[in-house]
Amino acid sequence: AQTVTQSQPEMSVQEAETVTLSCTYDTSESDYYLFWYKQPPSRQMILVIRQEAYKQQNATENRFSVNFQKAAKSFSLKISDSQLGDAAMYFCAYSLLSGNTPLVFGKGTRLSVIA
Amino acid sequence: EAGVTQFPSHSVIEKGQTVTLRCDPISGHDNLYWYRRVMGKEIKFLLHFVKESKQDESGMPNNRFLAERTGGTYSTLKVQPAELEDSGVYFCASSSLRQGLGTDTQYFGPGTRLTVL
Repeated sequence: AQTVTQSQPEMSVQEAETVTLSCTYDTSESDYYLFWYKQPPSRQMILVIRQEAYKQQNATENRFSVNFQKAAKSFSLKISDSQLGDAAMYFCAYSLLSGNTPLVFGKGTRLSVIA
Repeated sequence: EAGVTQFPSHSVIEKGQTVTLRCDPISGHDNLYWYRRVMGKEIKFLLHFVKESKQDESGMPNNRFLAERTGGTYSTLKVQPAELEDSGVYFCASSSLRQGLGTDTQYFGPGTRLTVL
């Protein structure tokens, strides 16, 4: 079975600084998807970024980028120029490549942004 | 376009009572998923509908949980009778149906926080 591990329950970052959230996963599949979701306080969970395992290039979305190390089964999220609005719970998730499959989540990392 | 909505946002019930949670997916999304997060734990998959059919219910904890999606639109998740360990946040997500390989983004609702006393 696939598992996702987020080893940092809580992290904090100064406004405008950079922070990296860690995620490792375990799977016997060679192709799959990885995701980072963000859940701000009392708000809906939204997709931040996704990575297809068959793509070697790391995904980026504005200030958010990932460091995908397939051999190490590592998928970290880097947030550059942190803003107060980045404060949220961040969940790393995995899904199979075949369509319409459920997500497997980690426990989440709570990120605080200090002004 | 309206997002995924869930009702109620909070529910506090006594052990042994019944509670029904509702999820309205994004219009046109054939995939509907239910997940649950118990405090401090991972978000766990419960079940998956494709239109009105249960595609995968391997995550359902036991037969006290009953999910339906009549007509392939909104879905309900009933817990009867509720137990203390059922407390948690229940999330619903929806996505477009993809044929073959590939996956579309799952859009999540705000969740229903269930507290069983």
